[in-house]
Amino acid sequence: DAGVIQSPRHEVTEMGQEVTLRCKPISGHDYLFWYRQTMMRGLELLIYFNNNVPIDDSGMPEDRFSAKMPNASFSTLKIQPSEPRDSAVYFCASSLARLRTGGGEQFFGPGTRLTVL
Amino acid sequence: GNSVTQMEGPVTLSEEAFLTINCTYTATGYPSLFWYVQYPGEGLQLLLKATKADDKGSNKGFEATYRKETTSFHLEKGSVQVSDSAVYFCALPAGAGNMLTFGGGTRLMVKP
Repeated sequence: DAGVIQSPRHEVTEMGQEVTLRCKPISGHDYLFWYRQTMMRGLELLIYFNNNVPIDDSGMPEDRFSAKMPNASFSTLKIQPSEPRDSAVYFCASSLARLRTGGGEQFFGPGTRLTVL
Repeated sequence: GNSVTQMEGPVTLSEEAFLTINCTYTATGYPSLFWYVQYPGEGLQLLLKATKADDKGSNKGFEATYRKETTSFHLEKGSVQVSDSAVYFCALPAGAGNMLTFGGGTRLMVKP
């Protein structure tokens, strides 16, 4: 398997622009997670999906952030409008249901480094 | 809910030195425990795990033992290499669904 795939790997945009980050989870995984990582705040969970349904979006910082998972193999995280404080590395991760593995470990993508000028 | 505390870094060692990164947890029951590693410019990847008390997880020369008596899961390596320079995260299930709770991360720097 190719692992979790994210695109783009790097994104530079100007304040006010719309940004869309993309993720393809590992085939067959039940869960998909979006994280944000910054030096100041560390690793933060933004939202997660189970079987394409959003379960917990309490980590989404503002209404400017939205996430969708239209099917089992694709998810997007959108920021509109973007602001400089959104600059961070955004990770997507996927996992099998814990009941199926006994562990619940997550597999991370390489991340998208977002810079908002 | 479940939580994890790990030692703050950075930890700076010379090559071939012994490494210990402390991790303690608070949890209901005996959940699986994980160590993740993040190399520069990459995502987190699972380094090792233990699924029950007294289990020892191991990978790439790293080891960690699930100790319920001390609620700890310390990461150890007998002889570190420059290529081990990375950030290490301790983690455990957060309760609901498949969420994980991560420690704050410990940056390890190994000098030649």
